[in-house]
Amino acid sequence: AQRVTQPEKLLSVFKGAPVELKCNYSYSGSPELFWYVQYSRQRLQLLLRHISRESIKGFTADLNKGETSFHLKKPFAQEEDSAMYYCALVLRGATNKLIFGTGTLLAVQP
Amino acid sequence: NAGVMQNPRHLVRRRGQEARLRCSPMKGHSHVYWYRQLPEEGLKFMVYLQKENIIDESGMPKERFSAEFPKEGPSILRIQQVVRGDSAAYFCASSPLAKTGPNTEAFFGQGTRLTVV
Repeated sequence: AQRVTQPEKLLSVFKGAPVELKCNYSYSGSPELFWYVQYSRQRLQLLLRHISRESIKGFTADLNKGETSFHLKKPFAQEEDSAMYYCALVLRGATNKLIFGTGTLLAVQP
Repeated sequence: NAGVMQNPRHLVRRRGQEARLRCSPMKGHSHVYWYRQLPEEGLKFMVYLQKENIIDESGMPKERFSAEFPKEGPSILRIQQVVRGDSAAYFCASSPLAKTGPNTEAFFGQGTRLTVV
């Protein structure tokens, strides 16, 4: 069955520290993964997708098929990075629906 | 473009009442998704609609829940005879295309938080 797992509910770091938000997936096909972010009182928005291999706001994520992981990383956390982060897998086909993890709340302390 | 608009943002209903949640997709988008987020859980797919058609309702509870996306007007998620377990955040997302390649992006609304008392 398709599944996305984010093992940490909360990750608290100090400003300037490295950040790694973990995401593991289970999917029999070729996965397509995303990270969504939700800042306080704002809507869920796409942060990055593995296909683009991009860096957004200093965040990167590499798909590791061997470990079935798509961890989100940033070398130096900023206070404005504090938000809820969701990893998601898209099921390509007639629906293109997203399978979400339970989310990790990142709290960056000053 | 105002983005995906959901209303109301907060809705309180007594057990047994009906809840109607509205979603206006982004301009030019004809594909709408509804997701539900129960407390302490991730967003779960409920239903996918195109104008006047339900394409995939595999995530919808079998009873009391229905969705529509008429030719004119917003998409509506309707919950009849609400129970406490329906309390959740309901998110709508819209997309311009269905069967597309890797560059498809779903844009989300701010959600409706339903509380059943």
